[in-house]
Amino acid sequence: GAGVSQSPSNKVTEKGKDVELRCDPISGHTALYWYRQSLGQGLEFLIYFQGNSAPDKSGLPSDRFSAERTGGSVSTLTIQRTQQEDSAVYLCASRSGSAGANVLTFGAGSRLTVL
Amino acid sequence: SQQGEEDPQALSIQEGENATMNCSYKTSINNLQWYRQNSGRGLVHLILIRSNEREKHSGRLRVTLDTSKKSSSLLITASRAADTASYFCATDASWGKLQFGAGTQVVVTP
Repeated sequence: GAGVSQSPSNKVTEKGKDVELRCDPISGHTALYWYRQSLGQGLEFLIYFQGNSAPDKSGLPSDRFSAERTGGSVSTLTIQRTQQEDSAVYLCASRSGSAGANVLTFGAGSRLTVL
Repeated sequence: SQQGEEDPQALSIQEGENATMNCSYKTSINNLQWYRQNSGRGLVHLILIRSNEREKHSGRLRVTLDTSKKSSSLLITASRAADTASYFCATDASWGKLQFGAGTQVVVTP
């Protein structure tokens, strides 16, 4: 597509429920990132996919968080047994794999509220 | 953990004035990037400066990089109300994994 698409744009859930957030990167982009942004804060790195390489999961805050990228395109971030501190905007970004193309294109984000 | 730290956290100026914000980082980098975020939206890339560059311009934006001090600055000249946004620096230390700072919130009043 023309841009990075994220869904849902807003999600309200109850504590303890599982949620799935989806990211559709720009067609042909081989790198995909998930970041988390709490209210008024900067971006916290979560996970990074690059082509067929093993993902860099070093930013995932706990084992309740997981992400997958199917077919090198769409990615799903799953949060199990949600907690109130998981409330944040989850941002996805993608990047071309071309050498020297280090610029990220972000989606509009998925705002998660855990009650 | 965050690599970059922006300073100041918030900046309020009038239209026509210049806005300067700084970013400090901790480890060696390949490049440093600045992004802008309007309220409630995703980030938009503004400018990238490579580790072997010292200064770069793009329109009303000027970025400097001092690798010896591990710092960068972003200058917005002749600011406009539409420049109101949060500005983030991001460091690329491993050719791909970008680490973002906490951002500088800029408010430009008419």
